[in-house]
Amino acid sequence: AQSVTQLDSHVSVSEGTPVLLRCNYSSSYSPSLFWYVQHPNKGLQLLLKYTSAATLVKGINGFEAEFKKSETSFHLTKPSAHMSDAAEYFCVVSELTGGGNKLTFGTGTQLKVEL
Amino acid sequence: DGGITQSPKYLFRKEGQNVTLSCEQNLNHDAMYWYRQDPGQGLRLIYYSQIVNDFQKGDIAEGYSVSREKKESFPLTVTSAQKNPTAFYLCASSVSPPAGVSDTQYFGPGTRLTVL
Repeated sequence: AQSVTQLDSHVSVSEGTPVLLRCNYSSSYSPSLFWYVQHPNKGLQLLLKYTSAATLVKGINGFEAEFKKSETSFHLTKPSAHMSDAAEYFCVVSELTGGGNKLTFGTGTQLKVEL
Repeated sequence: DGGITQSPKYLFRKEGQNVTLSCEQNLNHDAMYWYRQDPGQGLRLIYYSQIVNDFQKGDIAEGYSVSREKKESFPLTVTSAQKNPTAFYLCASSVSPPAGVSDTQYFGPGTRLTVL
């Protein structure tokens, strides 16, 4: 069975400083991993995905994530936070099952960006 | 303008009433999904459909029903049997089932259901 742990439920940074949102996963097979962002009362928007190609994945809005199999981690980073980055972020693992792709979501990390 | 639309954005229901949430996509995706989101939790899968006229229960299907008569549409009915229906409901779709683990699900804007 697969699982996802987002290590911080809330992260607060100052505008212009780096962002680190941590995610660890557990999967029986070679997983695909995703980061989604959700602004208040909105749907989820895909930031980036890892699908066993390059371990460093670049996404939209300056975000990137590094897949580390030895650490079973897929942390999301951004060099410089912007006020518009304030949102909730979900780490997601996907496995192919007999019934199709099954997504397992983390519980989310709320990112606050302060002036 | 391609995408996934959900309506209504906000929905209020009295206890004991059934209510249907709409989800439409014009992305030509085969697979569609319904998720429920509660505060402080990740999304939980209610139902999914890989192809027209076929659908499968997800992790929390009790108290919900769906239909998939058209490729573009996947409505969700929240029945009176659902004990705690107040939540944010998200619909998603993906290219085709099961094309491999790299399938990406694209989400609609959501419907917030409140039971009064």
